[in-house]
Amino acid sequence: DQQVKQNSPSLSVQEGRISILNCDYTNSMFDYFLWYKKYPAEGPTFLISISSIKDKNEDGRFTVFLNKSAKHLSLHIVPSQPGDSAVYFCAASQGGSEKLVFGKGTKLTVNP
Amino acid sequence: ETGVTQTPRHLVMGMTNKKSLKCEQHLGHNAMYWYKQSAKKPLELMFVYNFKEQTENNSVPSRFSPECPNSSHLFLHLHTLQPEDSALYLCASKGLMGRGTTYEQYFGPGTRLTVT
Repeated sequence: DQQVKQNSPSLSVQEGRISILNCDYTNSMFDYFLWYKKYPAEGPTFLISISSIKDKNEDGRFTVFLNKSAKHLSLHIVPSQPGDSAVYFCAASQGGSEKLVFGKGTKLTVNP
Repeated sequence: ETGVTQTPRHLVMGMTNKKSLKCEQHLGHNAMYWYKQSAKKPLELMFVYNFKEQTENNSVPSRFSPECPNSSHLFLHLHTLQPEDSALYLCASKGLMGRGTTYEQYFGPGTRLTVT
């Protein structure tokens, strides 16, 4: 049973608009969440993270929101750029565990 | 070299072959990981090494044999694989408790393995 779910396999947005990528989780013990970006033929690269003691973390154009009661997090990219086109993975960990549990990913396409 | 490197980038092997994947990290980290990414599936953790000691084996078949001679190098020895083992194999590293602790793992580019 998947503990981290990204229900949208793909998302397409126009350059300059907002991209919103969603992630749901089932394990209420998860206390740290991360977003990774992956280009073809490359490994995932860390993008942004959030601890469960926060509900928002911002880094430049990227903001992650966490709603613990809904077990939901989202990644907002504003403004979206063509170079943001990639697969985005949501991941979660529990109590500083070595294990990261990943979602299947959402492929974002930003059209010029 | 910087970051996490993996060789080879592509590998085609028969079911009776023996091959090895290599990973090297240049980040001063003390934890290293092997992941498998199959088509349309999430990344699956295979093995975890902390300070060269294996701390996690995620029910991986014995035809996959990891080796961690030091904190910078990680190998995955492959023997009598099956076609369903074809996947992208990713190595990652992370800083541990104390100086340089991070939650985020840093990934290599992966080895695309095809078993024929």
